[in-house]
Amino acid sequence: EVHLVESGGGLVKPGGSLRLSCAASGFTFSDYSMTWVRQSPGQGLEWVSSIGSSGGYIYYADSVKGRFTISRDNAKSSLYLQMNSLRAEDTAVYYCARTRSGGDCYSHWGQGTLVTVSS
Amino acid sequence: DIQMTQSPSTLSASVGDRVTITCRASQSISSWLAWYQQKPGKAPKLLIYKASSLESGVPPRFSGSGSGTEFTLTISSLQPDDFATYYCQHYNSLPWTFGQGTKVEIK
Repeated sequence: EVHLVESGGGLVKPGGSLRLSCAASGFTFSDYSMTWVRQSPGQGLEWVSSIGSSGGYIYYADSVKGRFTISRDNAKSSLYLQMNSLRAEDTAVYYCARTRSGGDCYSHWGQGTLVTVSS
Repeated sequence: DIQMTQSPSTLSASVGDRVTITCRASQSISSWLAWYQQKPGKAPKLLIYKASSLESGVPPRFSGSGSGTEFTLTISSLQPDDFATYYCQHYNSLPWTFGQGTKVEIK
């Protein structure tokens, strides 16, 4: 069974940094591209960043470009999101998700980790 | 960016009702559309991919249709477990974007 478990969320001051992790199990991690999606409190879903199965491609939403860095360690079956220069509008639950084979929709999701940016 | 607009924003229905949710794209996305169900405090769950393909394990009362710019998600007979918020998402071109959601409430 596929499992995705996020960690690393918490309270951080504006301008601060945080690193999210996503531990994957139950599938061959190196075969799949992975994605971070976030959801602000009471709001809808926003795609944040995606990375190819071998890290060969990386994409970011304009709202986080230059501030966030996605990476992965296939040997550890782990996905990461380094978040710098955090803003209040980055406050959200961050989900890692596995891309479905054949297209950029998301067949498996973690439970999410809450990031709160506040002074 | 391609904008995804769902209607209605909220839908009140009863168990057994046939429910239809519409998603419109601001430009053609071929069939690169997914539907998700989300319950409070939980992660989204993929229901439909490529506009009309049912994800494994999803009950057949869920179906999707459409192509180009107009898409629908239909629940043929609403069950108590189906009261949730539904989102469409395109994956035609970057950035992938979601609709604003449709909340299905108990009438």
